[in-house]
Amino acid sequence: SAVISQKPSRDICQRGTSLTIQCQVDSQVTMMFWYRQQPGQSLTLIATANQGSEATYESGFVIDKFPISRPNLTFSTLTVSNMSPEDSSIYLCSVGGGLAGRTQETQYFGPGTRLLVL
Amino acid sequence: SQQGEEDPQALSIQEGENATMNCSYKTSINNLQWYRQNSGRGLVHLILIRSNEREKHSGRLRVTLDTSKKSSSLLITASRAADTASYFCASRRGGTSYDKVIFGPGTSLSVIP
Repeated sequence: SAVISQKPSRDICQRGTSLTIQCQVDSQVTMMFWYRQQPGQSLTLIATANQGSEATYESGFVIDKFPISRPNLTFSTLTVSNMSPEDSSIYLCSVGGGLAGRTQETQYFGPGTRLLVL
Repeated sequence: SQQGEEDPQALSIQEGENATMNCSYKTSINNLQWYRQNSGRGLVHLILIRSNEREKHSGRLRVTLDTSKKSSSLLITASRAADTASYFCASRRGGTSYDKVIFGPGTSLSVIP
């Protein structure tokens, strides 16, 4: 069974709409991270989500565009708001450590959500 | 990229040859990880090397780390067509799960049968 799961796995959306991506981890973790991978590019960190506090955003990313929720230690959501074609990317959820039976330092990734905005 | 460079950006070799990919990073780190991503698929964790380690092996993979030069290299020996993928290095400044991981731009490897 997958350690980190994401929903939806893919979606096609119209510009101007919003999409919420869910990330579920099979054990409690302190930090969850959201990344974006634009076509043909590497992964860029969007924000870090700690349970019970506001997410911390990287330069170039703002809460109004990418609101994040972290209601408990196993779940997080990322919303891509008011989408444009430039938001077409793979969005990945990630956790580091805090997973039962796995190396603390290794960073693990969900399978990603492939988003196409028309 | 948010952290460093990778070279080459693209590499094409014949099956059986060795492939070497290099990665540089900007800040001091606690560890550096290498990942593989097949086209359209998820990330596969390959190997982690800590800042106090200089070299690490895993099967056909050999990773080196030079903290004085802020660089790392990934060597794949006796390459196979199945090694065709994108390879990314990712550095972490701290050693805990609180610390974020920043990716290099990646190297696209093509292994020709």
